[in-house]
Amino acid sequence: TQLLEQSPQFLSIQEGENLTVYCNSSSVFSSLQWYRQEPGEGPVLLVTVVTGGEVKKLKRLTFQFGDARKDSSLHITAAQPGDTGLYLCAVVYSSASKIIFGSGTRLSIRP
Amino acid sequence: EAGVTQFPSHSVIEKGQTVTLRCDPISGHDNLYWYRRVMGKEIKFLLHFVKESKQDESGMPNNRFLAERTGGTYSTLKVQPAELEDSGVYFCASSQVMGYSPLHFGNGTRLTVT
Repeated sequence: TQLLEQSPQFLSIQEGENLTVYCNSSSVFSSLQWYRQEPGEGPVLLVTVVTGGEVKKLKRLTFQFGDARKDSSLHITAAQPGDTGLYLCAVVYSSASKIIFGSGTRLSIRP
Repeated sequence: EAGVTQFPSHSVIEKGQTVTLRCDPISGHDNLYWYRRVMGKEIKFLLHFVKESKQDESGMPNNRFLAERTGGTYSTLKVQPAELEDSGVYFCASSQVMGYSPLHFGNGTRLTVT
């Protein structure tokens, strides 16, 4: 079983719609990161959440860390074609030496 | 600042051959990580260097994979001999502070073993 489960795996929506993707685990983490990856490139960090219940906003993107620090969500308001990409959550694991990634949500925004 | 650079961007080799991937981290980043994504699967951790020392190599698949980081600067990942299941995209990332600062990724090397 994977440490981090992301859902949905794939999401295709119309421009202007809202969406939420999830990152879940049965383990507690001190922090959680969200990355976005575009084709032919490496993942790029969007945000790090640290405190249980924390909410961070990045323009139209809202990130929330669960109260118990086991899960997180990413909400996008009024999605744009430029939001298309693979969204990955990641956590620090094993004495801060490893950063482990979820399998990702592949998002496609149709114009 | 210059980002993480990886070379080559693509490599196609035959089963049994040897391939060496190179990663140049961001200058001043002591932490260097190798990851791999095999088709359809998640990005998997391979190993972590702090300067020239291997901090954690628990993700290395087997002894056909050898990673080095001479002098704590650039790193190489050698696969010898390559097998079909080694195909995938190999990513390198670097960071300043172990585990708590963002990972800066290169664009990856796409390895195809035929």
